[in-house]
Amino acid sequence: DTEVTQTPKHLVMGMTNKKSLKCEQHMGHRAMYWYKQKAKKPPELMFVYSYEKLSINESVPSRFSPECPNSSLLNLHLHALQPEDSALYLCASSQEGQRYGYTFGSGTRLTVV
Amino acid sequence: AQSVTQLGSHVSVSEGALVLLRCNYSSSVPPYLFWYVQYPNQGLQLLLKYTSAATLVKGINGFEAEFKKSETSFHLTKPSAHMSDAAEYFCAVVNQAGTALIFGKGTTLSVSS
Repeated sequence: DTEVTQTPKHLVMGMTNKKSLKCEQHMGHRAMYWYKQKAKKPPELMFVYSYEKLSINESVPSRFSPECPNSSLLNLHLHALQPEDSALYLCASSQEGQRYGYTFGSGTRLTVV
Repeated sequence: AQSVTQLGSHVSVSEGALVLLRCNYSSSVPPYLFWYVQYPNQGLQLLLKYTSAATLVKGINGFEAEFKKSETSFHLTKPSAHMSDAAEYFCAVVNQAGTALIFGKGTTLSVSS
């Protein structure tokens, strides 16, 4: 299995809703990442998990809450989002050591109404 | 700090013509460099990577890139464009801490028949 699987592919949520994005990989990668990508822009790093521990939080608002239940799963819990949070949310994973590059999922297209 | 600059936000070529997408990097240490492709409403797919083993790197779909230290460049090329190459292309470099990928602003490649 050489894929990163993200669910759901599309999500529409109201500003008072609570929802979660899920990401799964079975490649044995020990680093996992959340990126946010706005239209016509490059991906922007949000969080990095290394060996199931949060190692980087790029000053992301607390309405985004990451969770890494085990080495194969990564969640992003969403609460009280704003319309400007609408974007493509990408999950990625990598082997230990940066020279291998990342494997990205196909993303979750989030719309906040 | 590590960074990449992609020259030209939009490149247009005819089918069968040479594709050249430009990327210049800034790095205080030998860099790990990557090219990714993103098709509409999809995640990012790794095209190729430079990890200091060889300066000419061959990737998927007929793409290749040459690392030129003297020019701090890592340009992406393909001898003959195909309609299916139309997509967004991102150059990326590992950050100085070795903890995340930093992306360029991207280049949109259009291919006309």
